[in-house]
Amino acid sequence: GAGVSQSPRYKVTKRGQDVALRCDPISGHVSLYWYRQALGQGPEFLTYFNYEAQQDKSGLPNDRFSAERPEGSISTLTIQRTEQRDSAMYRCASSPQGNYGYTFGSGTRLTVV
Amino acid sequence: KNEVEQSPQNLTAQEGEFITINCSYSVGISALHWLQQHPGGGIVSLFMLSSGKKKHGRLIATINIQEKHSSLHITASHPRDSAVYICAVSLNRDDKIIFGKGTRLHILP
Repeated sequence: GAGVSQSPRYKVTKRGQDVALRCDPISGHVSLYWYRQALGQGPEFLTYFNYEAQQDKSGLPNDRFSAERPEGSISTLTIQRTEQRDSAMYRCASSPQGNYGYTFGSGTRLTVV
Repeated sequence: KNEVEQSPQNLTAQEGEFITINCSYSVGISALHWLQQHPGGGIVSLFMLSSGKKKHGRLIATINIQEKHSSLHITASHPRDSAVYICAVSLNRDDKIIFGKGTRLHILP
């Protein structure tokens, strides 16, 4: 597609529910990044992929968070047993390869009530 | 201590002023990025630097690898430049990104 697409744009969920956030990167982009941003804060790195391989997941806050990119294209970030502190804007970015310029998606605003 | 530090945190200036935002980092990097985030939340990549200086319109970004420091300059600032400017670095050892906390810039008409 023309840009990085994320869905849903907004997600409100009850505490304890699982959520899956989707990122559709620019076609052909090798690298895909997930990060989140709390209101008024800078972005916080979560994890990233080169092709289908998850390169670094050290930014995932705990084992309730997981991400996959099975075919090296679309990626899903899953949060299990959501908690209120998980509420944030979750953003995805992709790049042609590693250090090349990033293109950011519009994000998914997650609210856990 | 954060690995990427930005200053100032907040900056208010009059239209037309020359703006400088600073970024210092303490890790080995392969590239440094300047990003702009507008009040609506969208993020735009402004520059990617690994050395020297880049210019795009009224925006200039410089990096000093030895001093581990980068600056973003805005000449003839305008209210539409009001946004949060974020410095991010790609680590040498892998492609992990570390973000600064951002500088909130407000240009008054």
